[in-house]
Amino acid sequence: AQSVSQHNHHVILSEAASLELGCNYSYGGTVNLFWYVQYPGQHLQLLLKYFSGDPLVKGIKGFEAEFIKSKFSFNLRKPSVQWSDTAEYFCAVIWGPRNTDKLIFGTGTRLQVFP
Amino acid sequence: DTGVSQDPRHKITKRGQNVTFRCDPISEHNRLYWYRQTLGQGPEFLTYFQNEAQLEKSRLLSDRFSAERPKGSFSTLEIQRTEQGDSAMYLCASSFAWTGVQNYGYTFGSGTRLTVV
Repeated sequence: AQSVSQHNHHVILSEAASLELGCNYSYGGTVNLFWYVQYPGQHLQLLLKYFSGDPLVKGIKGFEAEFIKSKFSFNLRKPSVQWSDTAEYFCAVIWGPRNTDKLIFGTGTRLQVFP
Repeated sequence: DTGVSQDPRHKITKRGQNVTFRCDPISEHNRLYWYRQTLGQGPEFLTYFQNEAQLEKSRLLSDRFSAERPKGSFSTLEIQRTEQGDSAMYLCASSFAWTGVQNYGYTFGSGTRLTVV
């Protein structure tokens, strides 16, 4: 079955610390990969996406993610977090073929950043 | 506002009552999606439309749930005979996509929070 795993349910960091959030998906084939962020009281927003090409993708607000096909992973990184990064982060996948458009989400990682 | 709008933002209903939610997508978007999110979980897919055609439905969408998108614009999600287990955030999203063409990501609305008491 198609599934997405996020290993860290709750991460607590101090400002300026580096961040890496894990994301693995259940099996290969053609995948489109996404990271969404949900700030407190706000709607889901797209951070970054991967379709093809360079496996290191850069998103908004200094975030980046690396697609490692052999590990079925798409981990999110940021070298130095800020208090304003406090939010819930969701990894999501669309599996091929392209006639389906269903996003499968992980359970999310709650990030708390303390000043 | 050019985003995805959902109405109402909050709904409290008694068990057994029917509820209906509305979603207005971004006007240029041809696809519209419904998801459900419970506490501590990621959003779960319910159904999606391309224009007015409902293309896929999840097994989560029991026969008490029905979604429509008349004329390919706004959509409604109705839950009949609500149960406490239906309490969740119901999210709507839209995108522009065609079969065989990349979907560059959804735009989500703020959701409708349903509480069944």
